[in-house]
Amino acid sequence: AQKVTQAQTEISVVEKEDVTLDCVYETRDTTYYLFWYKQPPSGELVFLIRRNSFDEQNEISGRYSWNFQKSTSSFNFTITASQVVDSAVYFCALSEAGGTSYGKLTFGQGTILTVHP
Amino acid sequence: NAGVTQTPKFQVLKTGQSMTLQCAQDMNHEYMSWYRQDPGMGLRLIHYSVGAGITDQGEVPNGYNVSRSTTEDFPLRLLSAAPSQTSVYFCASSQHGGYNEQFFGPGTRLTVL
Repeated sequence: AQKVTQAQTEISVVEKEDVTLDCVYETRDTTYYLFWYKQPPSGELVFLIRRNSFDEQNEISGRYSWNFQKSTSSFNFTITASQVVDSAVYFCALSEAGGTSYGKLTFGQGTILTVHP
Repeated sequence: NAGVTQTPKFQVLKTGQSMTLQCAQDMNHEYMSWYRQDPGMGLRLIHYSVGAGITDQGEVPNGYNVSRSTTEDFPLRLLSAAPSQTSVYFCASSQHGGYNEQFFGPGTRLTVL
């Protein structure tokens, strides 16, 4: 069975600090997809990134970067120079490609990030 | 495009009442799903559908029914509401399962007294 663990329940930082959100996953499938979603205080879920299991390249998008390491089953998310608008709940999620788990998205518990001015 | 829409936004039920949460998408997506979000537990999959006429259970299906008669609509029915079903419910859709990111509706906040 697939599982996603976000060990950090809450993180509090001051604006302009860098912050890394950890995500560790478990799966028996060799083909799978990892996602990060953001849930701001307004409540909607916003897609941030998708990574497939064959692509271990790190990705950078503005102040956001993602580090995918299959060797440690981790898909960590770093925000550089955090801003108050980054305050949100962040979810890591996993979807397996095959078998009875196809398409089922398993979410981690979420990390509440608070950025103070 | 409206994307994924959900109604109602808020609902209060008494124990034992039944109701249907509506979900619709206008993106011609094959895959639709329902999640519930509870504090400290992330989102958990209730039911999903890979196309019209095809549904299957997720992680927490008990107490809920779904049907998918059209590509656009995927209603979630609570047969006899219980306080344990107090939660925020999200509907999502994607082009297909697996690889594609899921687009989420705005959510329905349900309270069962």
